[in-house]
This record gives sequence, structure tokens and C-alpha cells, in this order.
Amino acid sequence: AQSVAQPEDQVNVAEGNPLTVKCTYSVSGNPYLFWYVQYPNRGLQFLLKYITGDNLVKGSYGFEAEFNKSQTSFHLKKPSALVSDSALYFCAVRDWGGSGGSYIPTFGRGTSLIVHP
Amino acid sequence: EAGVAQSPRYKIIEKRQSVAFWCNPISGHATLYWYQQILGQGPKLLIQFQNNGVVDDSQLPKDRFSAERLKGVDSTLKIQPAKLEDSAVYLCASSPPGQQSSGANVLTFGAGSRLTVL
Repeated sequence: AQSVAQPEDQVNVAEGNPLTVKCTYSVSGNPYLFWYVQYPNRGLQFLLKYITGDNLVKGSYGFEAEFNKSQTSFHLKKPSALVSDSALYFCAVRDWGGSGGSYIPTFGRGTSLIVHP
Repeated sequence: EAGVAQSPRYKIIEKRQSVAFWCNPISGHATLYWYQQILGQGPKLLIQFQNNGVVDDSQLPKDRFSAERLKGVDSTLKIQPAKLEDSAVYLCASSPPGQQSSGANVLTFGAGSRLTVL
């Protein structure tokens, strides 16, 4: 089965500083990777995805992610953090399996990002 | 466009009682998902529908959980009887047709239904 790991439960960063939220993956074949954000009492919102092509993917709210095949990583980045970026961030991968034989979106455990004023 | 609607937002029940959650996906979205999110964990897929057919329910505890999607539109997730460990947020999501077969589909989530079992 395909999986993602988010090694940090929490990331703290000062407003205006660059931020990185880490994700590593374990897949066979070509990985399809996603980042979602969850604000308090809200559902998850899509940020960006990597399917193929340029290793640097740009997404919503100024976020970007770099796909690194040799390190099996897909870290989320932003050049200058805002207090409003404070939220839960989830990395996800397409997985194949299940009773029906289909692609299943599988999520990591999440990383809490706290941006301090 | 309207988002994914879920109700109720909050529900408190005692163990062994039953509960039902409702989801109305975005119009035209063929695929509907129910996820369970326990505090401190990532969402875990319970069941995935394609139109009104079940694509995957391998992680659904079928002795107590059931779900249906009549007419391929809205869906209901039921728990009967509930256990303490069912306390979680139940997230419904949907995705449009066209990318499901490649796994590139982007999910749109509802706000979730928070269940507390006492």
C-alpha cells in the first residue's frame, strides 16, 4: 500500500519567516501527491498537487511544494508565513486497493503549523 | 458553487445508541467519500461511492456502520450501536468525474459532523 508520513506533529515559525512542513512518501510506481489544509472547525481544503512535470508545484495562498524523487519527499513551503496560516496541514497520496479496486485518497496524520506574531 | 453540506454539525449520544449523518455533495460530483477523523489523527476512509455504487468499503466496520447513497446524490452514514471509540469527526467529501480513474481527483470536503459518545 502507498503511504505518506509527516514526521513533525507541530511546526512553529515566526510571522514573516519561511516555513516548511515535511512529508515523505512510500509508493510503488509514480506518486500522485497532495496537500490539504484544515482550519479550526472546518473541513479540509485543497492546496496543491503533484502529478507529473515540474518538481516545484505552486498552489493556493502562496504555498508551494517541492517533489524530490531521490529523497521521496514532498515538503510544503511558503517564503513568508502569516499568522492566518496557522492550521493543520495534511499530506495525501493516491493508493490503490480496497474492495472495489480503485484509487483511494490516503492521508497522513497531519502537522499543526503555528505562526507566532 | 455551493459546497458540500453536512448535518448535524454536532451530536452527543450515549454508547449503544444510534446516530445518522447526512451529506449532500457538490452538484455533478460523481464520487462521494466518508472519512473518520479521530482527534490527533489524519482522516481515515470509511467508504467511497461512485454514483450510487460502492467502490471501496474495506475499512468500514460493517457490524455497526452502514452507508447508502440512494439516487447517486446525497448520502447517509449510520452507526448502530455506537461505541466510545466512535467519537470522532465524520467528514464527507466529493470529487468531480473525469479524474477518479487516474487518482488525480481533488476532494472538496464538508465542515464535518462531530460525534461524542459518552
